[in-house]
Amino acid sequence: DGGITQSPKYLFRKEGQNVTLSCEQNLNHDAMYWYRQDPGQGLRLIYYSQIVNDFQKGDIAEGYSVSREKKESFPLTVTSAQKNPTAFYLCASSTPTGAMETQYFGPGTRLLVL
Amino acid sequence: AQKITQTQPGMFVQEKEAVTLDCTYDTSDQSYGLFWYKQPSSGEMIFLIYQGSYDEQNATEGRYSLNFQKARKSANLVISASQLGDSAMYFCAMREGPSNDYKLSFGAGTTVTVRA
Repeated sequence: DGGITQSPKYLFRKEGQNVTLSCEQNLNHDAMYWYRQDPGQGLRLIYYSQIVNDFQKGDIAEGYSVSREKKESFPLTVTSAQKNPTAFYLCASSTPTGAMETQYFGPGTRLLVL
Repeated sequence: AQKITQTQPGMFVQEKEAVTLDCTYDTSDQSYGLFWYKQPSSGEMIFLIYQGSYDEQNATEGRYSLNFQKARKSANLVISASQLGDSAMYFCAMREGPSNDYKLSFGAGTTVTVRA
């Protein structure tokens, strides 16, 4: 079945530690996105990538880093510079078709700080 | 400025009744897309319905319909014949044109609770 997988489902981070969230898609989508969701709030864009080996900062990129070495994969690293990382992280992908482009989401990863 | 406004933090609806979720948006683009997503307690975002700015007819997908009023910049979601499984958070989102790199902006969401 085609879809987007995210792992792990839950992730615990210690102070000063970098952690990496995985996002893989087999939909053959060109574009991939990372969002952060805080409790009771909407989604905020962290980073996005429209093609392999290229990515752009979203609205809240500070303290995060990404790579896009393969079309299928878009891992997100939460660095120690991100002082408030506890949140729900959602990965999405789409095929760029302009304004009507629909993003499809993975199941998400909940990150908690110990 | 807020691009997407959802003014109803939470709503209760009786099973089998219809519910309307409000969404207003702000853009200066002529070409844009409006989306509604459902987020159950599991967390996954599920795409429900899409409306293009040039679409003359309101979008419909099964029990979901979008009441698109372009002049008022509103894109309300109507869920007909509510079911217990419709209890979730619902997000309105907008994609603007190339000036915004086609990024998606989300509202704060509306929590819907369906009562038996």
